[in-house]
Amino acid sequence: AAGVIQSPRHLIKEKRETATLKCYPIPRHDTVYWYQQGPGQDPQFLISFYEKMQSDKGSIPDRFSAQQFSDYHSELNMSSLELGDSALYFCASSQEAGNTIYFGEGSWLTVV
Amino acid sequence: EDQVTQSPEALRLQEGESSSLNCSYTVSGLRGLFWYRQDPGKGPEFLFTLYSAGEEKEKERLKATLTKKESFLHITAPKPEDSATYLCAVRTSGGYNKLIFGAGTRLAVHP
Repeated sequence: AAGVIQSPRHLIKEKRETATLKCYPIPRHDTVYWYQQGPGQDPQFLISFYEKMQSDKGSIPDRFSAQQFSDYHSELNMSSLELGDSALYFCASSQEAGNTIYFGEGSWLTVV
Repeated sequence: EDQVTQSPEALRLQEGESSSLNCSYTVSGLRGLFWYRQDPGKGPEFLFTLYSAGEEKEKERLKATLTKKESFLHITAPKPEDSATYLCAVRTSGGYNKLIFGAGTRLAVHP
């Protein structure tokens, strides 16, 4: 069965640079979620979108922005990167809010 | 404030030694409790969703139960391949489009 696809799987950026992560939800899923997981920590909710509109917002820094496009894929844009942004970033999707949320394999971001 | 607490933080079992993981929650209106398994460096893998007290679900050696204050993940006769971090998460009426995770239980099953 098709899963949530994230790209790139790994990226290394320098401080103050910009990074963009992409997420392709499971087909027919209309809700996308972004999470950040630091080493040894539980996933922290950043932001979610339903039908291309922002639906919930968590602990997302002002330096980060995200959007969901007409084909339901989503992008997380991170600017002015800091060392503390180094983490595993997960995208997840569900079919309508309220249903089971399935996670992708994550994108490893290392800021040096 | 909505809160999810998992215990123990880490659990070491011998192969075949059954045990239970706990997830207690304090939320303003539970709209679903989720169990995920996470292997190192991988995304959380969905296991179960429970919606109401008294509900139970099973999958192979795993069984999840739910009360009004907590959920248990029972592992029967575990095998080394069950070693992983097990995450509990809740969806609440105040935040329908997000999950609040607990810190997880790291399970190690030794042969």
